[in-house]
Amino acid sequence: DAGVIQSPRHEVTEMGQEVTLRCKPISGHNSLFWYRQTMMRGLELLIYFNNNVPIDDSGMPEDRFSAKMPNASFSTLKIQPSEPRDSAVYFCASSFFGNRDQPQHFGDGTRLSIL
Amino acid sequence: AQTVTQSQPEMSVQEAETVTLSCTYDTSESDYYLFWYKQPPSRQMILVIRQEAYKQQNATENRFSVNFQKAAKSFSLKISDSQLGDAAMYFCAYRSARGGSNYKLTFGKGTLLTVNP
Repeated sequence: DAGVIQSPRHEVTEMGQEVTLRCKPISGHNSLFWYRQTMMRGLELLIYFNNNVPIDDSGMPEDRFSAKMPNASFSTLKIQPSEPRDSAVYFCASSFFGNRDQPQHFGDGTRLSIL
Repeated sequence: AQTVTQSQPEMSVQEAETVTLSCTYDTSESDYYLFWYKQPPSRQMILVIRQEAYKQQNATENRFSVNFQKAAKSFSLKISDSQLGDAAMYFCAYRSARGGSNYKLTFGKGTLLTVNP
């Protein structure tokens, strides 16, 4: 069974450019999470979707960040315009919360570097 | 808000020996889950073990076991017979058992484990 698939694995772009990160959750999972990992702040939740609906976006740092989940098998995290301080590893995770004790399964992450 | 503290930024262990990684957390809830995730240099986040707060029995997965002390809010990970492949960053994480936004994971800062041959 395929795990959470993220693309691209690496992204290097110049400040001011639009960046789009993509995630395909595990089939059958109904919850999706976007996390960001930095040396300074560690792992922190950006946004959480349940049944394609954003439930908690309080971790989204500012209006430059947006996330969508148009269907159960695809989500995007967009940064526009990007800034050097957005450089981080971005993880997508999915889970099924029909049973409350299901763990979150993570993708391999996207390493984003903004020059 | 819940917090998770890992007081050991780095640990080292000799191959085949046992090592214990510490984790404490702060919460006012009585129903929650605790996890240990492993992040090797490949960057993957791999679930190692999980514990449900309402279960008194400590979870075990092969060479990995936990010491869950609910009253002390402590959740340590013991790795027995350490192997070179165990070298990684280990994260302790908390998740509420309530619904809504409480389903997010709150992570500690991590402990970098080195395994010496």
